[in-house]
Amino acid sequence: SAVISQKPSRDICQRGTSLTIQCQVDSQVTMMFWYRQQPGQSLTLIATANQGSEATYESGFVIDKFPISRPNLTFSTLTVSNMSPEDSSIYLCSVPKGIGDEQYFGPGTRLTVT
Amino acid sequence: QKEVEQDPGPLSVPEGAIVSLNCTYSNSAFQYFMWYRQYSRKGPELLMYTYSSGNKEDGRFTAQVDKSSKYISLFIRDSQPSDSATYLCAMSARDSSYKLIFGSGTRLLVRP
Repeated sequence: SAVISQKPSRDICQRGTSLTIQCQVDSQVTMMFWYRQQPGQSLTLIATANQGSEATYESGFVIDKFPISRPNLTFSTLTVSNMSPEDSSIYLCSVPKGIGDEQYFGPGTRLTVT
Repeated sequence: QKEVEQDPGPLSVPEGAIVSLNCTYSNSAFQYFMWYRQYSRKGPELLMYTYSSGNKEDGRFTAQVDKSSKYISLFIRDSQPSDSATYLCAMSARDSSYKLIFGSGTRLLVRP
């Protein structure tokens, strides 16, 4: 199974600032996914990040608000820009498990915006 | 209407009980079905996955898919306090996007 780490594990940020979340995988993967889990809600896919190409964003998420980098096959970052209290969520990265659609998830970054 | 519906619970059962967790879905294109377990302040952990209809068993866990009814279930036998967590169903259409659609999760509490 893939080992995924995220930094930071949690943060409290001021409104209007930005936070960059890092995701590191212990093996090379083509695709990485970023999800948001709002309090009491399920996981919602933000974007898919492929190495060497622009991230693909889901409806309701835009690059200006959630810029993503994917510099190599084991690492990605998600930035939450110009934060508001509505951005308070857990942000998770994931990678495909194998040939199927199952995904391994990182431990998440718990973000609180005040 | 959400693509995937899941009762949020909480579901409280005594230790040793058989637990039944369920999801319904509306998109007939879904072919791949997963169950994740999420402990508090942790990322989701893959428990079971099934392709198309039928049953799959793994230890105390059984996943069941009924595509004709658009209904999936996870059964936990001999439930333990350590099973207390939120259980999320997830589905995909098995296309090139690998996109997973999640249910909202059911919180389970197994009482000693």
